[in-house]
Amino acid sequence: DAKTTQPTSMDCAEGRAANLPCNHSTISGNEYVYWYRQIHSQGPQYIIHGLKNNETNEMASLIITEDRKSSTLILPHATLRDTAVYYCIVSPLTDKLIFGTGTRLQVFP
Amino acid sequence: GAVVSQHPSWVICKSGTSVKIECRSLDFQATTMFWYRQFPKQSLMLMATSNEGSKATYEQGVEKDKFLINHASLTLSTLTVTSAHPEDSSFYICSARGASHNEQFFGPGTRLTVL
Repeated sequence: DAKTTQPTSMDCAEGRAANLPCNHSTISGNEYVYWYRQIHSQGPQYIIHGLKNNETNEMASLIITEDRKSSTLILPHATLRDTAVYYCIVSPLTDKLIFGTGTRLQVFP
Repeated sequence: GAVVSQHPSWVICKSGTSVKIECRSLDFQATTMFWYRQFPKQSLMLMATSNEGSKATYEQGVEKDKFLINHASLTLSTLTVTSAHPEDSSFYICSARGASHNEQFFGPGTRLTVL
């Protein structure tokens, strides 16, 4: 079973920041937080991952709480092309990924 | 990022026939490949993990004799759905990871329809 809890859906206005929360209260010390997204009828796309420090790349920022029990993925300036299902997954580094139900993000004009 | 391809992108077959799906890592050597299945409006379900040159490790509930996985080279893994039935109709997605990668790279998926 997935070890994360995410809201089923969220809306975001184009150009605004999209903040997607994820709860992983049972995360183990060796487990990383991974974020992937899946645009309709395509394979998932890797976004970012982190252990305990905040991470940023060209796509997004990942904020992990100090107790590591939750995290937030931030898309700083959402576009229509960011409409997708976003999956938060906890897993040891390079281990298999178990997908939950994810958050369906709808970006509107 | 690294590129993973799948072939075919879609396939329609008759019930009782076998279908082979290929997954290739185009610009890196994939030491580990994964196969997932996704039914409409559902999440991805991991079917199996394969390491190059080794037998695949199947997830609980996945029939290894029905879903044959071969990972004979560092750039190619195949999934064969044997004696396919309509309930096997699904979106099959592979992913791959190289020795220097901490993340998986996913293929575009193969839509299988069994009539």
